[in-house]
Amino acid sequence: DGGITQSPKYLFRKEGQNVTLSCEQNLNHDAMYWYRQDPGQGLRLIYYSQIVNDFQKGDIAEGYSVSREKKESFPLTVTSAQKNPTAFYLCASNGGGASNEQFFGPGTRLTVL
Amino acid sequence: RKEVEQDPGPFNVPEGATVAFNCTYSNSASQSFFWYRQDCRKEPKLLMSVYSSGNEDGRFTAQLNRASQYISLLIRDSKLSDSATYLCVVNIYNFNKFYFGSGTKLNVKP
Repeated sequence: DGGITQSPKYLFRKEGQNVTLSCEQNLNHDAMYWYRQDPGQGLRLIYYSQIVNDFQKGDIAEGYSVSREKKESFPLTVTSAQKNPTAFYLCASNGGGASNEQFFGPGTRLTVL
Repeated sequence: RKEVEQDPGPFNVPEGATVAFNCTYSNSASQSFFWYRQDCRKEPKLLMSVYSSGNEDGRFTAQLNRASQYISLLIRDSKLSDSATYLCVVNIYNFNKFYFGSGTKLNVKP
């Protein structure tokens, strides 16, 4: 089945630690995105990538980093510089074309202890 | 000003009711429009795309008004299973960025 996978589903981190969230897609989509969602709020764009080896900052990129070495993979690192990292992190991809919708992974819930 | 604005609700309606959500967007360059459904602690899932001519999928009808820059979603004959948060999404094609409203929460009561 085609889709997007994210791991882990739940992640606990101590303050001052960097953590990396995994996102993999087998939809053959060029564009991939990372969003953050806080309780009762909409999705905010962290980073996005339109093509391999290229990515752009979204609206809230500070304290995060990404890489796009393969089309299928777009990992997100939450660094210790991120002041309030506890949130629900969603990865998405988009294949463009007529429908142009985004497909989402199941998300990673990060809690900083 | 937010790119996409929605009434957060909650909308509390009885089963069988008709309910309508509206959403406004600020960027006239927006080119694709969507309604997503998000259940509690889950990822958003596409409910329907919104076309200029309006479109219907069963009990759901979506409308787009480009002149006034708003999108609507009408749900007829509400079911308990319709209880969720509904997200309005617009895409600015040139940048291939998607902007999400904060969502409208719907509670359908027996």
